[in-house]
Amino acid sequence: NAGVTQTPKFQVLKTGQSMTLQCAQDMNHNSMYWYRQDPGMGLRLIYYSASEGTTDKGEVPNGYNVSRLNKREFSLRLESAAPSQTSVYFCASSPGSQREKLFFGSGTQLSVL
Amino acid sequence: QKEVEQNSGPLSVPEGAIASLNCTYSDRGSQSFFWYRQYSGKSPELIMFIYSNGDKEDGRFTAQLNKASQYVSLLIRDSQPSDSATYLCAVYGSWSNSGYALNFGKGTSLLVTP
Repeated sequence: NAGVTQTPKFQVLKTGQSMTLQCAQDMNHNSMYWYRQDPGMGLRLIYYSASEGTTDKGEVPNGYNVSRLNKREFSLRLESAAPSQTSVYFCASSPGSQREKLFFGSGTQLSVL
Repeated sequence: QKEVEQNSGPLSVPEGAIASLNCTYSDRGSQSFFWYRQYSGKSPELIMFIYSNGDKEDGRFTAQLNKASQYVSLLIRDSQPSDSATYLCAVYGSWSNSGYALNFGKGTSLLVTP
């Protein structure tokens, strides 16, 4: 059972470079999420997609764009990476109601030099 | 913005003792509450969820919810060194008209000493 798959697991970028973090889930979930986690900061919501075709900003959306490509896939793009975007990024999915837990991917460790 | 507050710790307890982790939240409309455990370098994993006021027990874990006080707690009985991790409190909140997302506290670091 794959669950939520994130790629890549590790990435080093130079300031100004762009990249896309990929996320796919095979549980037929409606909702998908991108979080970032910095030391001592817990998980902060970047963007989420309540259902296929919709995306909404979370707490820290600046510097990011997202695409809900289809029901399975939700990508996060950094157009011009900055050192402040050095973080661990987690993708998650859920069936979509407020009573459902989130299923997390394994995370992407991103360093921007 | 919906706030979820936790003491960052570290909370240190001896093996076999009860560990008590606390969380407060600001959104009175919140309906569901979750506790995740996260080991260093790993993804969060769900250990408890609770929807109604009162206590909910699952093995060594008990979640307690008091909506009037906007307070949720996690008790870990007979704490083991393997329980040493960061515990994240999470509460659903609405970020827009289109849906909900989990808001996480900053986490409490728990250390269980042999």
